[in-house]
Amino acid sequence: GAGVSQSPRYKVTKRGQDVALRCDPISGHVSLYWYRQALGQGPEFLTYFNYEAQQDKSGLPNDRFSAERPEGSISTLTIQRTEQRDSAMYRCASSLGGGNEKLFFGSGTQLSVL
Amino acid sequence: RKEVEQDPGPFNVPEGATVAFNCTYSNSASQSFFWYRQDCRKEPKLLMSVYSSGNEDGRFTAQLNRASQYISLLIRDSKLSDSATYLCVVNRPGGYNKLIFGAGTRLAVHP
Repeated sequence: GAGVSQSPRYKVTKRGQDVALRCDPISGHVSLYWYRQALGQGPEFLTYFNYEAQQDKSGLPNDRFSAERPEGSISTLTIQRTEQRDSAMYRCASSLGGGNEKLFFGSGTQLSVL
Repeated sequence: RKEVEQDPGPFNVPEGATVAFNCTYSNSASQSFFWYRQDCRKEPKLLMSVYSSGNEDGRFTAQLNRASQYISLLIRDSKLSDSATYLCVVNRPGGYNKLIFGAGTRLAVHP
């Protein structure tokens, strides 16, 4: 595609529900990142994939958060048993290679947990 | 202490003004440095990389001082369209883009 695509754009859920956020990176981009951004803050690193391999998940806040990228393209970030403190903008980004290259961010998924 | 610190602003300046933003980082092993721009409710976009020798892109000049662990961005002849949040970004060493973002500095340029 022309850019990084994320869906849904907005997600409102009740506390305790599971949510799955989807990211479709730019075609051919090897590296994929998930970030979380609270209002008034910069993006906070969550996890990183190189192809299908999850090479760094040190930023995931706890074991309710998980991510996968089974075929090295589309990725899903799953949050189980959501809590109000999970409410934030979740942003996906991709880049061409595993080195220090330009990141392209998607428009994000705004998650609201009621 | 946060890994990347910025003055949150806002900086309110008239069109045509020169404005400078500063940023400090705590990890002396960091190797790559960037300024990203983020418009309200939009995704961050790379504005420019920052090199030790300093670099310029039109009205924008970025500087890096490794000894002081300090990064700056200078905007000359501010335009209304420069109004945005400017994010200072540092790459934590690891061979890939584990970017650590500052909280951002808000700039508002008025007529």
